[in-house]
Amino acid sequence: DIQMTQSPSTLSASVGDRVTITCRASQSISSWLAWYQQKPGIAPNLLIYKASSLESGVPSRFSGSGSGTEFTLTISSLQPDDFATYYCQQYNSYPWTFGQGTKVEIK
Amino acid sequence: QVQLQESGPGLVKPSETLSLTCTVSGGSISGYYWSWIRQPPGKGLEWIGYIHYSGSTNYNPSLKSRVTISEDTSKNQLSLKLSSVTAADTAVYYCARDRYGGYLQHWGQGTLVTVSS
Repeated sequence: DIQMTQSPSTLSASVGDRVTITCRASQSISSWLAWYQQKPGIAPNLLIYKASSLESGVPSRFSGSGSGTEFTLTISSLQPDDFATYYCQQYNSYPWTFGQGTKVEIK
Repeated sequence: QVQLQESGPGLVKPSETLSLTCTVSGGSISGYYWSWIRQPPGKGLEWIGYIHYSGSTNYNPSLKSRVTISEDTSKNQLSLKLSSVTAADTAVYYCARDRYGGYLQHWGQGTLVTVSS
């Protein structure tokens, strides 16, 4: 299985901050990576697919980059609605696997 | 807009079979991949497997010996069966849809299944 490792596990930030979350794959996954946002008690919501493509309806302050084994999710200016847990997921090979999550907390 | 709704028993006894249904409304099963994903309380996400509308399936090897995913196109429903459950199978179970077999665009609200005697 391809292991996905996110860093940091927890991130404390303030409204308006630029936030970056990193996801590393244990082997190359080309650009077959998605990012999700999850709030407590709610299903995950797709933000980014194919590493850098913004899902329809997702605010443009979210962006993704990377290829191969290293990827980043950036929130350009953190908003109150963005405090949540973020997961990366690879779909290069089966089984699809997720990172352990990064919780973005209010500083 | 498509909506997915998981349903089934919230409590299952150890060694029994967990059975869940995902009802799809506002769209057809045809043309898509339908995945099941689970999330133990307070933990991360685990992909269980998918069924393509054509009927082909793909399962996580860690669960493959115990999992069956099927579809009922007449009812626009998907189902998940997980046999010989233990407490480690306690989780919120989600169904999700994607078109290309990869990223999960639409999710149900999830249903909590607790394995306990």
